[in-house]
Amino acid sequence: DAGVIQSPRHEVTEMGQEVTLRCKPISGHNSLFWYRQTMMRGLELLIYFNNNVPIDDSGMPEDRFSAKMPNASFSTLKIQPSEPRDSAVYFCASSLRGLEQYFGPGTRLTVT
Amino acid sequence: AQKVTQAQTEISVVEKEDVTLDCVYETRDTTYYLFWYKQPPSGELVFLIRRNSFDEQNEISGRYSWNFQKSTSSFNFTITASQVVDSAVYFCALSEYGGTSYGKLTFGQGTILTVHP
Repeated sequence: DAGVIQSPRHEVTEMGQEVTLRCKPISGHNSLFWYRQTMMRGLELLIYFNNNVPIDDSGMPEDRFSAKMPNASFSTLKIQPSEPRDSAVYFCASSLRGLEQYFGPGTRLTVT
Repeated sequence: AQKVTQAQTEISVVEKEDVTLDCVYETRDTTYYLFWYKQPPSGELVFLIRRNSFDEQNEISGRYSWNFQKSTSSFNFTITASQVVDSAVYFCALSEYGGTSYGKLTFGQGTILTVHP
């Protein structure tokens, strides 16, 4: 079975540009999570969805960040406009009924 | 509020040594899940184990074993006869069972394990 799929794997962009990260969860999973990992702050939960509905977005750092889950098999995390401090690895994870989360390979974002 | 503490920031051992990674948690929930994840140098986060709070049996999987003690709110992870490939960051995590926030993980800060040949 395919795991969580994230694209792109690497993204380099200039400050001020819009960035869109994509995630396809494991088929059948009903929860989806977006995380950000940096050396300084560790692993941070940004937002998560249950059954495509956003449950908790308290971790989203600013209004520049937005996430959508239009259907059970796709989610996006958008940063507009991007800033150098947004540089991090962004992980998407999915789970079934609150059990263990399975993580995607991550997207390494560099904003110059 | 839930909290997970991994007091050991970094551990360094020589191959074939046994090593234990400590995890202490706080929660007001009577029922919850505990997890361990591994993050090797390649960067992906790999699920290792889930333990239900109502099941205090210890578990062994090959060289890995987990000791869950509800009385001390600890869920420690032991690697026996460590190998270089065990070098990674290990995260302990906690989630509530049911409720509005079910599935949301509270992670510890992670323990960096380095196994030298």
